[in-house]
Amino acid sequence: NAGVTQTPKFQVLKTGQSMTLQCAQDMNHEYMSWYRQDPGMGLRLIHYSVGAGITDQGEVPNGYNVSRSTTEDFPLRLLSAAPSQTSVYFCASSYSAPTGASNEQFFGPGTRLTVL
Amino acid sequence: RKEVEQDPGPFNVPEGATVAFNCTYSNSASQSFFWYRQDCRKEPKLLMSVYSSGNEDGRFTAQLNRASQYISLLIRDSKLSDSATYLCVVASNQAGTALIFGKGTTLSVSS
Repeated sequence: NAGVTQTPKFQVLKTGQSMTLQCAQDMNHEYMSWYRQDPGMGLRLIHYSVGAGITDQGEVPNGYNVSRSTTEDFPLRLLSAAPSQTSVYFCASSYSAPTGASNEQFFGPGTRLTVL
Repeated sequence: RKEVEQDPGPFNVPEGATVAFNCTYSNSASQSFFWYRQDCRKEPKLLMSVYSSGNEDGRFTAQLNRASQYISLLIRDSKLSDSATYLCVVASNQAGTALIFGKGTTLSVSS
């Protein structure tokens, strides 16, 4: 199993550009989520999905779109990149909603995004 | 009041020391609690869940005090490999579909 994979590992964008961060998992997990981590801010939930075709907003959804057409993939789209979106982005998945010891949330290695 | 608050540290301790981290949360309806560990520039990994009765996993002990909305993590006999940032995590809704992370407490264990 590859676990949770994210591409790209690093990305530099100019203000106003759009791009999609890819996330895939091969563990047949229903629950997937996206976080951003900024210095001094901790991880903040952007969007999450409890299954294919179902998504919901987290704490900081503005400027981002998601879709979940398959169980395996959960891409995060930046509509018009802004310097405030410079961050490290982590994708995570778990068998179901991440409560309880049996539902460990597995994180991908992260994408380091810089917006100039 | 922030939803999950932690002392950022850093905690600098010698090998073999016992160290305790504290965390407070604001949502009294929260039902699920966790400690995650994050090494520098790496992804977070689950260290342990926190149960109402308290739970232990080797050198690590987690406690929950619902009345005070307080979570703790105790590390005994610290190892160099314990050096990391420890994240307190609380489910922000009863369904547990949204997790709120604290900013983390940094631990540095030295020989």
